Amino acid sequence: GQSLEQPSEVTAVEGAIVQINCTYQTSGFYGLSWYQQHDGGAPTFLSYNALDGLEETGRFSSFLSRSDSYGYLLLQELQMKDSASYFCAVRDLLGRDDKIIFGKGTRLHILP
Amino acid sequence: DAMVIQNPRYQVTQFGKPVTLSCSQTLNHNVMYWYQQKSSQAPKLLFHYYDKDFNNEADTPDNFQSRRPNTSFCFLDIRSPGLGDAAMYLCATSIPREGQETQYFGPGTRLLVL
Repeated sequence: GQSLEQPSEVTAVEGAIVQINCTYQTSGFYGLSWYQQHDGGAPTFLSYNALDGLEETGRFSSFLSRSDSYGYLLLQELQMKDSASYFCAVRDLLGRDDKIIFGKGTRLHILP
Repeated sequence: DAMVIQNPRYQVTQFGKPVTLSCSQTLNHNVMYWYQQKSSQAPKLLFHYYDKDFNNEADTPDNFQSRRPNTSFCFLDIRSPGLGDAAMYLCATSIPREGQETQYFGPGTRLLVL
């Protein structure tokens, strides 16, 4: 089966750095994505890792270790607007059955 | 420029009254998805299309059906909505590509069942 584990909530201080971890178990792993979702809004894409290592996009970075079935999202210089839910998602590709499976999400609370 | 459009943004229906939610895309993506998301939960995949190939999740109730008449449009039909079907319904698209993956989500349709 497929499963993803991530913390349900994380709290950090404005200006600080926070890391949100994700472990996964899939049958046809093809990549790990991260999405941000504000209350009442739709998920928006943040990053994607197909290969091991670190991908950096501005204040956000994402890391993947396929051998450990593990990844994380790193948010730097936290701003109040970063308060949102963050979902890791795996692309599960078996033949033509291509789909994205989402974790349960991590609610990020930012304190001033 | 809108890329994934969902109409309506809010839909109110009565218990047991069929309802259809719409999604259109201007991206020409092969894959279209329908997700159900309840408050404080992850999006739950209901089904997806790879071109015209329909893939139903094993735990998607029979009450939920989908149609994709062409590349641009996809519909979610709920034949007999129950109170438990009240949720946000998200449509998303993607184009499978090695080394790259982005799902584009529409703004969602929030369904209220009275």
